[in-house]
Amino acid sequence: SQQGEEDPQALSIQEGENATMNCSYKTSINNLQWYRQNSGRGLVHLILIRSNEREKHSGRLRVTLDTSKKSSSLLITASRAADTASYFCAPSVYNQGGKLIFGQGTELSVKP
Amino acid sequence: EADIYQTPRYLVIGTGKKITLECSQTMGHDKMYWYQQDPGMELHLIHYSYGVNSTEKGDLSSESTVSRIRTEHFPLTLESARPSHTSQYLCASSEYNRGHGYTFGSGTRLTVV
Repeated sequence: SQQGEEDPQALSIQEGENATMNCSYKTSINNLQWYRQNSGRGLVHLILIRSNEREKHSGRLRVTLDTSKKSSSLLITASRAADTASYFCAPSVYNQGGKLIFGQGTELSVKP
Repeated sequence: EADIYQTPRYLVIGTGKKITLECSQTMGHDKMYWYQQDPGMELHLIHYSYGVNSTEKGDLSSESTVSRIRTEHFPLTLESARPSHTSQYLCASSEYNRGHGYTFGSGTRLTVV
């Protein structure tokens, strides 16, 4: 099954700095989704980028998609302590019937 | 308010007991999913459903079973709990249209002693 692989596994930054997380995948996709998970909670859907889109913004989030390199990045600008969480990417492909397979995620720590 | 609910939030139970983890959503979503996640680890898809009377096993083999008798309800059952079942169980739902993301519940943290 198609699974996204996040990099780095862990990232520690100071409040106010930007955080960049990367995702790689192996096959053609319909769309790619990013999620956040606070410790011990469920995942929260952040943003979905379709295969024909190259960049998408939502508030302080910026997602890029490069289908030729099979990669995506999530940028969080002007990070806050409340952004501390794990971030997961999930590629969605047609032949998986909409199932999402999640990797280990990037654990982001934002220090005040 | 449209949402997805999981109960109980925490459960500590003895080995050999039968348990059912509840998941209900009020959004009318056709697709529902169960994931298992150990702390700090990846999520493993263990069951999913595309609609009423549809259930499929996920990528990770699980001794649990599920049912989908009503659109809004997707319970997960363990007939005989074991310590190896200790984990967090996350329920999610999505619309049939592939252009939307998943909505997750808050999870059930299960401990089998």
